[in-house]
Amino acid sequence: QSALTQPASVSGSPGQSITISCTGTSSDVGGYNYVSWYQQHPGKAPKLLIYEVTNRPSGISSRFSASKSGNTASLTISGLQAEDEAHYYCNSYTTSSTWVFGGGTKVTVL
Amino acid sequence: EVQLLESGGGSVQPGGSLRLSCVVSGFTFSDYAMTWVRQAPGKGLEWVSSIGNSGATIYYADSVKGRFTISRDNSKNTLFLQMNSLRVEDAALYYCAKDGAAIDPWGQGTLVTVSS
Repeated sequence: QSALTQPASVSGSPGQSITISCTGTSSDVGGYNYVSWYQQHPGKAPKLLIYEVTNRPSGISSRFSASKSGNTASLTISGLQAEDEAHYYCNSYTTSSTWVFGGGTKVTVL
Repeated sequence: EVQLLESGGGSVQPGGSLRLSCVVSGFTFSDYAMTWVRQAPGKGLEWVSSIGNSGATIYYADSVKGRFTISRDNSKNTLFLQMNSLRVEDAALYYCAKDGAAIDPWGQGTLVTVSS
């Protein structure tokens, strides 16, 4: 049950696009399309941004998009805004019928 | 409106026990699997345990296997996590969440502190 690998931090200027990677194995990210992304602001519960690799729940901005290639999933934030400064976590279902999270990425808006 | 309300957290000494509860409203509880996720102070998210909609299927993270027990009472729309033999490293904010294509939505969490 090793955590998925995410960069510890990513930064960008307002209006720019940034991409966060999430690397797993064929037993999790590469094996299922149950990959999700969450945004977490300090003191708040995680908020679902993306589910099933590419799908946005109702109410989530189209500035958030995601994809997957092999064992690596990616989240892209376009038109970066100050409110996007937060921690971001990826999550995947696994062959053991469990879930595994990434270690989290701190996004800083410069 | 979907709501998940955790309770039962508190301060306990190493080796102690706590029972967390999560009362759910706004969806048909008995139709969905449920999950506990925890977050140690200043750390990332860690999946803890999941239970199927009927309670027949249960899974645990290796870090809690043999010490924690997940259960549910579908007649009371309530999810439980019995935590025994608590360790310092179990200290965290414990969230309950609905399980499906993704873990969502989440409650606001209940805080567990383990120290001597």
